Amino acid sequence: GAGVSQTPSNKVTEKGKYVELRCDPISGHTALYWYRQSLGQGPEFLIYFQGTGAADDSGLPNDRFFAVRPEGSVSTLKIQRTERGDSAVYLCASSPVPQGEQFFGPGTRLTVL
Amino acid sequence: AQSVSQHNHHVILSEAASLELGCNYSYGGTVNLFWYVQYPGQHLQLLLKYFSGDPLVKGIKGFEAEFIKSKFSFNLRKPSVQWSDTAEYFCAVAGAGGTSYGKLTFGQGTILTVHP
Repeated sequence: GAGVSQTPSNKVTEKGKYVELRCDPISGHTALYWYRQSLGQGPEFLIYFQGTGAADDSGLPNDRFFAVRPEGSVSTLKIQRTERGDSAVYLCASSPVPQGEQFFGPGTRLTVL
Repeated sequence: AQSVSQHNHHVILSEAASLELGCNYSYGGTVNLFWYVQYPGQHLQLLLKYFSGDPLVKGIKGFEAEFIKSKFSFNLRKPSVQWSDTAEYFCAVAGAGGTSYGKLTFGQGTILTVHP
């Protein structure tokens, strides 16, 4: 079956611009996670959704970052006033249950010039 | 706060050599433990996991890992590596039970290069 998909695969933007990154989880998976992976590091947790609600957004770096999952399926990570330090690979993962195996998407590589 | 430490940043081996990648974690409670692998050009895939029971767990492609609770370790092993095992390996921990929801904390990763 289809895995987790993320679009776009690459995004290049200029400092100060707004970007949206999309995640399509595996159908039926209620738990959805966003992580950020900087060069040479492991992924770092950003936010967790159970259904439509953000159950834990403690990993979001600051208020320029926001994520939604309005219908409990697709999620969008939104970054306002991008900075060069936001450049990273943004990973989405989904799981059928909160403590289950997480299935990762291919990621969106964000480059802020 | 939970943390994961992987001992080696880059490991280089020849085919048929044995592999052990170290992983230690810090967490104040019951944990679930994972090893993920990222092959070149591919996304993260689960290699194996420990939730409970036998502390020696077997995963795909001949990999295994041993959970040693007293040492807070979850080392990954393979008796004989192949060129196709060239990849980056990540150890990860998540809280288990109660209100935990699977938030993963990853180590910094170990790049494994296997020469034919």
